[in-house]
Amino acid sequence: GNSVTQMEGPVTLSEEAFLTINCTYTATGYPSLFWYVQYPGEGLQLLLKATKADDKGSNKGFEATYRKETTSFHLEKGSVQVSDSAVYFCALSDVIKAAGNKLTFGGGTRVLVKP
Amino acid sequence: EAGVAQSPRYKIIEKRQSVAFWCNPISGHATLYWYQQILGQGPKLLIQFQNNGVVDDSQLPKDRFSAERLKGVDSTLKIQPAKLEDSAVYLCASSLVDRGASEQYFGPGTRLTVT
Repeated sequence: GNSVTQMEGPVTLSEEAFLTINCTYTATGYPSLFWYVQYPGEGLQLLLKATKADDKGSNKGFEATYRKETTSFHLEKGSVQVSDSAVYFCALSDVIKAAGNKLTFGGGTRVLVKP
Repeated sequence: EAGVAQSPRYKIIEKRQSVAFWCNPISGHATLYWYQQILGQGPKLLIQFQNNGVVDDSQLPKDRFSAERLKGVDSTLKIQPAKLEDSAVYLCASSLVDRGASEQYFGPGTRLTVT
């Protein structure tokens, strides 16, 4: 079955540091890949997505590239801010699956950015 | 535009009691999802509705969990009887269309504690 593995946290960084969160997946078919973010006290929200191999998703300074050859979708940001402190979830959706848009999530990575 | 609404936000019950959660999706969203998020883990899909029909309930513990979406709008998720391991955040999400790359919009969740 489908699965997503992401690096465990917490990840603690100083402001303006470079952030990378690793995500790898196992899937049948041709999945779409997502990063969701959960800020403290808020619900999950979509950060970025990529729907096919070599696509790059980007939003709010974050980027992730869909790498089919390494089955990876690592999240990066060049200069983090305190406001980026949150839990980040990698997820996939198998577009061929007859049952539709079921998301399979990784375990989440907590990021704490200190001033 | 109003987001996905859920109630209650918090619930504490004793094991073997019953509990119900309510979700109101974004207006016009045909697809509705219920996820269970155990502390420290990513969300896991329990059930998916397309309008008022069930698309996927393969991971719903049907001996104790039930869900309905009458009239294809609001939905309720019920647990009867509850077990200690049901302690989790229950997330409701909705999407406009049932396609692999459609964004799912999440509600704030209901945090259930079973004692």
